[in-house]
This record gives sequence, structure tokens and C-alpha cells, in this order.
Amino acid sequence: SAVISQKPSRDICQRGTSLTIQCQVDSQVTMMFWYRQQPGQSLTLIATANQGSEATYESGFVIDKFPISRPNLTFSTLTVSNMSPEDSSIYLCSVGTGYNQPQHFGDGTRLSIL
Amino acid sequence: GENVEQHPSTLSVQEGDSAVIKCTYSDSASNYFPWYKQELGKRPQLIIDIRSNVGEKKDQRIAVTLNKTAKHFSLHITETQPEDSAVYFCAASIGGNEKLTFGTGTRLTIIP
Repeated sequence: SAVISQKPSRDICQRGTSLTIQCQVDSQVTMMFWYRQQPGQSLTLIATANQGSEATYESGFVIDKFPISRPNLTFSTLTVSNMSPEDSSIYLCSVGTGYNQPQHFGDGTRLSIL
Repeated sequence: GENVEQHPSTLSVQEGDSAVIKCTYSDSASNYFPWYKQELGKRPQLIIDIRSNVGEKKDQRIAVTLNKTAKHFSLHITETQPEDSAVYFCAASIGGNEKLTFGTGTRLTIIP
């Protein structure tokens, strides 16, 4: 399966600041997704990163708070803007391998906001 | 949108016994159902998946069953081992968009 590299692996940030998380895949993939996993909770889809166009956001998530870029078929970024302690979570990127095919995850970024 | 419920939230079994985790989904258009295992501090890893045209799938000690009529699917782990201890998530996807909706997770503990 594809090798997915996500960085940073963790960070501690001050409230009100922004952080950009990068996701790099070693092969071209059609679908890339960003998830949030709050402490002890399940995974919630933030958005689908579309190559060459604006991301598709799920209910409860907005572009101003979580801007996403997808400049090509191997790379995407998620920015967490104007952070507050409630944004402390693990953020995971995943890649889809096709219709009804497995989706694989990066190692995640553990973000703590002080 | 799709809603996936997962039970139980915690499960403890003796080593060597079987474990069963159940999920139900709401959208009859869902047709792909993966299961992920997440160890502490690690990424979710796919352990098995099933598509709606199949009723059961096995891979060594792990099996998944799907009942489309009742809209539920289950993970079965036989001959459990300590390394099976982890959080397990079920998920469902409506064909074509690949978006996954996850269940709430089951923390499985294998008692030696």
C-alpha cells in the first residue's frame, strides 16, 4: 500500500496561532481526506481534499477554520487556524485507493493548544 | 447522512476465547464496510473489509459478516491473543464517494 508521511508528528501551540500539517504520499492517489480524532474518540471526517479545486467540507467544518490545499496527486495540507484549546486533537490524513477499496491513514499529527 | 453505531464500547475476553463487535448503519446505499484496529498512539490500520455483494469474509482468525437486510455487520476474532488488545473501529461508505463514516469504537482487552 501507499506510504503516507505526515508532519509534524506533534506540536504544542499557543491559542490564536495557526499550524499547517502536511501529508505526502509516495504515489499518485485520487482521493485524500482529513480526519480529526479528539482524545479517546472516534474519527470524524473534516473534508475531502480535491486536486485542483476547493476542498469539500463536512457539516460542522468550514474553510476559514480549516483551509486545505491539494496542489497535486501526492500532496495535501491542512491548516488549523486561530487555534483554541478545543482544537487539541489528532489530525489524520488518509488516501483512498479507488471505488470500494481500502483507505489508508498517515501516522497523524498530535496537536495540543495551550 | 450515514450514521454508524457500534457495540460494545468496551470488551474484555480471556485469551483464547472469541470476541464479537457489532455495528449497524443507517443508509441502505452504503456498500463498503472496513474495520480498523488502532493501537495506542498509532495510526488506524485496516484489518479486514467487506463489500455489499458478499455475506462473509475470513482472514485467518478474523472474520466479518454482513446482513444487508438488517443493516448490520460484525467483526469476529477467534483464538484471541494479547496482541489483539486495541481499539477497533467499524466504518461504512456509500459507494462512489469513498467517504468513511466511523463507529464510536470498541476497546478490546485480552486477559492473559
